[in-house]
Amino acid sequence: DAGVIQSPRHEVTEMGQEVTLRCKPISGHDYLFWYRQTMMRGLELLIYFNNNVPIDDSGMPEDRFSAKMPNASFSTLKIQPSEPRDSAVYFCASSFGVFGTQETQYFGPGTRLLVL
Amino acid sequence: TQLLEQSPQFLSIQEGENLTVYCNSSSVFSSLQWYRQEPGEGPVLLVTVVTGGEVKKLKRLTFQFGDARKDSSLHITAAQTGDTGLYLCAATTSGTYKYIFGTGTRLKVLA
Repeated sequence: DAGVIQSPRHEVTEMGQEVTLRCKPISGHDYLFWYRQTMMRGLELLIYFNNNVPIDDSGMPEDRFSAKMPNASFSTLKIQPSEPRDSAVYFCASSFGVFGTQETQYFGPGTRLLVL
Repeated sequence: TQLLEQSPQFLSIQEGENLTVYCNSSSVFSSLQWYRQEPGEGPVLLVTVVTGGEVKKLKRLTFQFGDARKDSSLHITAAQTGDTGLYLCAATTSGTYKYIFGTGTRLKVLA
């Protein structure tokens, strides 16, 4: 398997623009997680899905952020409108489950977002 | 808000030296994980510990979960340059599936 795939790897945009980040989880994994990593706040969970259904979005910063998982092999994280403080590395991760050895999360390479 | 504090924040050592990094909290956790992250990549899971007092070894790495399940340590014996990276602890409390990540320890091993 190719692992978790994220695109784009780098994104530079201007404040106010819409940004869409994409993720393809590992085939067969039922859980998908979106994280954000910054120097100041570290790695933060934004939202996670189980079987394509959002389970917990309490980490989503505000209404400008939305995430969807239309099918088992694709998820998007959208920021509209984007702001400079959204600049960060956004990671997608997937796992078989959430207990024991099934809870191993496999992270993608991340999308480095810079909002000017 | 549950916090996971890691120490030290930064560590620079010579190849061959031993080191220990710590992960501490005031909360009790049901499980704790350690990850290593290299520049430009996502974190990679090293180990999961779930029992208070548990010790796990992964080659030169030794992981310990505190008896009260509030803290953990990672000890590296005879560090190598390949150990360089950001070490993150992550923990979850009973009844949730969400892992909270620590602030990280950035390790640099010099040749």
